Amino acid sequence: AQTVTQSQPEMSVQEAETVTLSCTYDTSESDYYLFWYKQPPSRQMILVIRQEAYKQQNATENRFSVNFQKAAKSFSLKISDSQLGDAAMYFCAYRRPQGGSEKLVFGKGTKLTVNP
Amino acid sequence: DGGITQSPKYLFRKEGQNVTLSCEQNLNHDAMYWYRQDPGQGLRLIYYSQIVNDFQKGDIAEGYSVSREKKESFPLTVTSAQKNPTAFYLCASSMGPRENIQYFGAGTRLSVL
Repeated sequence: AQTVTQSQPEMSVQEAETVTLSCTYDTSESDYYLFWYKQPPSRQMILVIRQEAYKQQNATENRFSVNFQKAAKSFSLKISDSQLGDAAMYFCAYRRPQGGSEKLVFGKGTKLTVNP
Repeated sequence: DGGITQSPKYLFRKEGQNVTLSCEQNLNHDAMYWYRQDPGQGLRLIYYSQIVNDFQKGDIAEGYSVSREKKESFPLTVTSAQKNPTAFYLCASSMGPRENIQYFGAGTRLSVL
């Protein structure tokens, strides 16, 4: 079974600084999808960024970028120029390719605090 | 506005009672999902449905039931057989099997009285 591990229960960063959240996963599949979701205090899950495993290029969305290391099964999220609104729980998630279960497998999350 | 609406926001269950959580989407998505979130945990899949009148068990389906009579609606019933129902419940939807992004509602917090 696929598993997702987030080894940092909590992280903090100064406003305007850069922070990296770690995620590792275990799978025997060669093609899959990886996601970072943000859950602010409102508790609604918001998609931050996604990566398709067959693409070597790291995904980027404005201040958010990933470092996808397929061989190492690592998928870290870098947040640049951190803002107060970035404070939230961040969840890494894995999804198998189409044709199988569509479920997302989530890590336990990292709580990010942004200090002014 | 297109989106996923979950209601109620807060729900209380008495011992031995069944309660139903509502999830409605106007995104014209084929697939819908129910997840459970416990403190300090990620989300775990309860049930999912790829098309109307069809649904599949997830990892923790015991004590829960669902129906999918309409494309836009996927209600979750927490039955009396679920002995530890206190949790945050999130509904999600996606366009279908070929679309891998799931969009989430705002959630329902269920507590036991």
